[in-house]
Amino acid sequence: NAGVTQTPKFRVLKTGQSMTLLCAQDMNHEYMYWYRQDPGMGLRLIHYSVGEGTTAKGEVPDGYNVSRLKKQNFLLGLESAAPSQTSVYFCASSQGPQGAKETQYFGPGTRLLVL
Amino acid sequence: RKEVEQDPGPFNVPEGATVAFNCTYSNSASQSFFWYRQDCRKEPKLLMSVYSSGNEDGRFTAQLNRASQYISLLIRDSKLSDSATYLCVVRGNTGGFKTIFGAGTRLFVKA
Repeated sequence: NAGVTQTPKFRVLKTGQSMTLLCAQDMNHEYMYWYRQDPGMGLRLIHYSVGEGTTAKGEVPDGYNVSRLKKQNFLLGLESAAPSQTSVYFCASSQGPQGAKETQYFGPGTRLLVL
Repeated sequence: RKEVEQDPGPFNVPEGATVAFNCTYSNSASQSFFWYRQDCRKEPKLLMSVYSSGNEDGRFTAQLNRASQYISLLIRDSKLSDSATYLCVVRGNTGGFKTIFGAGTRLFVKA
């Protein structure tokens, strides 16, 4: 049981390049989330999904797209990377939105540097 | 004003000390409250949920004051292994779903 995994762990991009971050969970969780974490700021929600085939915008969705084609996977795409997207990206999953089910389990993070 | 605010610290305490973290939130309709722990360059992990009546887990005690809109975490008998960043997390009930993380309070426990 690996929990939540993320690939890649680290990536350097040039401005304008595109990339996809992959998140996978093996806990059969319905909810999945993408956050970014920047120094001095809390984790900020980019996009989230409440089930296979559904996605919704979070607090800072601009410049990112997501897809949830399979329940266990949640992909985060950057179509045209900008230096402002340099950050640590965390994926998380949970069983549901309320009560004990809402404990979020995080992946190890992806460190992205955009030059 | 940030929706969830924490003292950034760092808090530097000796082993065995008692340390308290406070967190304030702005949305009075917030539903659920948590403390997460994040080690350096690692992912956040749930430390404990915070219940209205207050709750304790070993050396850790969490309190919620809805009237004043703040949450606290008390760590007794600090250990070196408690050194980490502690994140206050609040879930609201607007927009269907919204979880807000505080920026975290850094704790260093010294021998």
